Amino acid sequence: AQSVTQLDSQVPVFEEAPVELRCNYSSSVSVYLFWYVQYPNQGLQLLLKYLSGSTLVKGINGFEAEFNKSQTSFHLRKPSVHISDTAEYFCAVVGDTGRRALTFGSGTRLQVQP
Amino acid sequence: DAGVIQSPRHEVTEMGQEVTLRCKPISGHNSLFWYRQTMMRGLELLIYFNNNVPIDDSGMPEDRFSAKMPNASFSTLKIQPSEPRDSAVYFCASRGQGGQPQHFGDGTRLSIL
Repeated sequence: AQSVTQLDSQVPVFEEAPVELRCNYSSSVSVYLFWYVQYPNQGLQLLLKYLSGSTLVKGINGFEAEFNKSQTSFHLRKPSVHISDTAEYFCAVVGDTGRRALTFGSGTRLQVQP
Repeated sequence: DAGVIQSPRHEVTEMGQEVTLRCKPISGHNSLFWYRQTMMRGLELLIYFNNNVPIDDSGMPEDRFSAKMPNASFSTLKIQPSEPRDSAVYFCASRGQGGQPQHFGDGTRLSIL
C-alpha cells in the first residue's frame, strides 16, 4: 500500500516569487508519481509525472518536480508564479505493480497574491 | 480528442430520490475510477474497474451506492436512496496501460436537499 503526505494545506506567495509545494510518500514497492492541479469548479488536470529515468521532470505551465528516492519526496517547484497559478495542487502515487488506483495527498492550496 | 465526459454537470435533488451519474471514459483506456471530493474528506476513491470488471470497491460508502460498467465506453454510479451527506463533487477518471496517468472528467456537483 502507498500513502502520500502533503504537509502544507495552504501556501500563500506573492506574484513572481518562487514556490515549492512539498510531497512525501511511502511505499513498499517502486512507484510512479504525479502532480495534478485543480482550478475552481473544474476536474483535476495532470501537471507532470515521473515514471522512470531523469529524476527532474518538467510539466506544463512552467512547473517542475524532482523525484528523490532516498528522501521519498516529489516536491513541486516553479521559479516565478502568476496569479493564474492560484489553485489546489494534489500529489499522487501508484505502485508499479498490483493496485492500479492512485493514492492522493490531501492537497495544497496555492494562493498567489499581487 | 474528447476527454472523460461526465453527466450531468450539476444535480440537485431531494433526499430519498435515486441519483445516477454517468461517465464515458477516453477511448482505448482500460481502467475507470470513480472518486468523491468533499471539503471534509478530500478526494476519496470509491471504486475502480479494469477491463470493465470491478477490482476494488472498498471505498464505496454503503449499500446505497452501486456502480456498473456494462461496456468499455460507459459507466454509472448510482445512489439509492440519496441522503444529504452524499452531497459532493463526483469525479470519473480513466487511464490506459502501465504507468499512464489518470485523466479526469469535469465532475458532477451533487446536492441532496
